Amino acid sequence: DAKTTQPNSMESNEEEPVHLPCNHSTISGTDYIHWYRQLPSQGPEYVIHGLTSNVNNRMASLAIAEDRKSSTLILHRATLRDAAVYYCILRESGNTGKLIFGQGTTLQVKP
Amino acid sequence: GAVVSQHPSRVICKSGTSVKIECRSLDFQATTMFWYRQFPKQSLMLMATSNEGSKATYEQGVEKDKFLINHASLTLSTLTVTSAHPEDSSFYICSAPRGGGRAGELFFGEGSRLTVL
Repeated sequence: DAKTTQPNSMESNEEEPVHLPCNHSTISGTDYIHWYRQLPSQGPEYVIHGLTSNVNNRMASLAIAEDRKSSTLILHRATLRDAAVYYCILRESGNTGKLIFGQGTTLQVKP
Repeated sequence: GAVVSQHPSRVICKSGTSVKIECRSLDFQATTMFWYRQFPKQSLMLMATSNEGSKATYEQGVEKDKFLINHASLTLSTLTVTSAHPEDSSFYICSAPRGGGRAGELFFGEGSRLTVL
């Protein structure tokens, strides 16, 4: 399984941008990069995903390196509700498309 | 609103009993669903892939006779923890892809917290 590496934790101030890095040096050419987040005692929530090009949606932006060996999730203005564990995951190639979770980054947002 | 729903959200049972957890896709059909387990302060661990109309595929180290999975319809998968023991106490989460292939996002249920006394 292609693995991802993320910092264990990060801190941000409220209303400031947050850049969450992820390394995935063993990514294959057909793996999609997915980001999910999990609030305490809840199931994970989809944030964004991409293949090669940068992606934007209402929640966040995803910047993907040209060699695809790393990516960055960008929250443009962090709020207290963004405090969660953020998981960067490579969606496995093949028919099952299962997600294998790493340890993720715990984001703390300070008021 | 939620597109994948789990029931029950919390269950407490005695050691040796069996517990069934349901996972439903609410507004789409899911031929595949995934079951995860999460212990406190740990990440999600994939247990098995539930396949509609066929046997589930279990991850290495997960006992298939202990964790029975039935994908009875295109909107329902069930996980039964048989002869539960305190070490089976955990947060169980299901997910289902909406949309095909690797690109589609996965929707997760709210999770079911099992406590075995």
